Amino acid sequence: DTGVSQNPRHKITKRGQNVTFRCDPISEHNRLYWYRQTLGQGPEFLTYFQNEAQLEKSRLLSDRFSAERPKGSFSTLEIQRTEQGDSAMYLCASSSEPGEGGNTIYFGEGSWLTVV
Amino acid sequence: QKEVEQDPGPLSVPEGAIVSLNCTYSNSAFQYFMWYRQYSRKGPELLMYTYSSGNKEDGRFTAQVDKSSKYISLFIRDSQPSDSATYLCAMSRYSGGSNYKLTFGKGTLLTVNP
Repeated sequence: DTGVSQNPRHKITKRGQNVTFRCDPISEHNRLYWYRQTLGQGPEFLTYFQNEAQLEKSRLLSDRFSAERPKGSFSTLEIQRTEQGDSAMYLCASSSEPGEGGNTIYFGEGSWLTVV
Repeated sequence: QKEVEQDPGPLSVPEGAIVSLNCTYSNSAFQYFMWYRQYSRKGPELLMYTYSSGNKEDGRFTAQVDKSSKYISLFIRDSQPSDSATYLCAMSRYSGGSNYKLTFGKGTLLTVNP
């Protein structure tokens, strides 16, 4: 399977604990994105990497959230001191260099987080 | 007013029907328009991608973009039970060397009944 891979697929954690999600993008995609989706809503942009550089962070990404892409390949999203409001599906996506018509963005299967 | 409005449905149709899904938007800077299909508890799957205005056809799916009306549509011909899913419209503008920041609608839940 050469799609975007996310792990773990499901995580149940107690409030106040830290959690980390991993994303492996499609090989040779140098752009990587994190989105968050809650029930009944469309995904919302969190952050964007071009290679290892984090170029934009949404204001949705509070200081409890940190994302890294240390070698420009896989990425991790860590949530510290989780709160019940963090319960959502965290989606990773990737794309290649944009052409004249932009570029298409492919999503992984998501990582479900439940904070109890 | 949200940047992208999409009727959440639910929409229920018989097998073989033509399905019409729509989104409106307010940001005239949007240039890239996408439709994603999302099955329950799965990630969004890209169906159609359109740059600027016009129509695009792929098999049973047709995407239309009317930038003058800020209105996009997805038509599904000969709908099948396997088309039952949530359909998300998404759009973006060129910024920072890419069109990376997608703004999604809420999604429309479609059920195709055998």
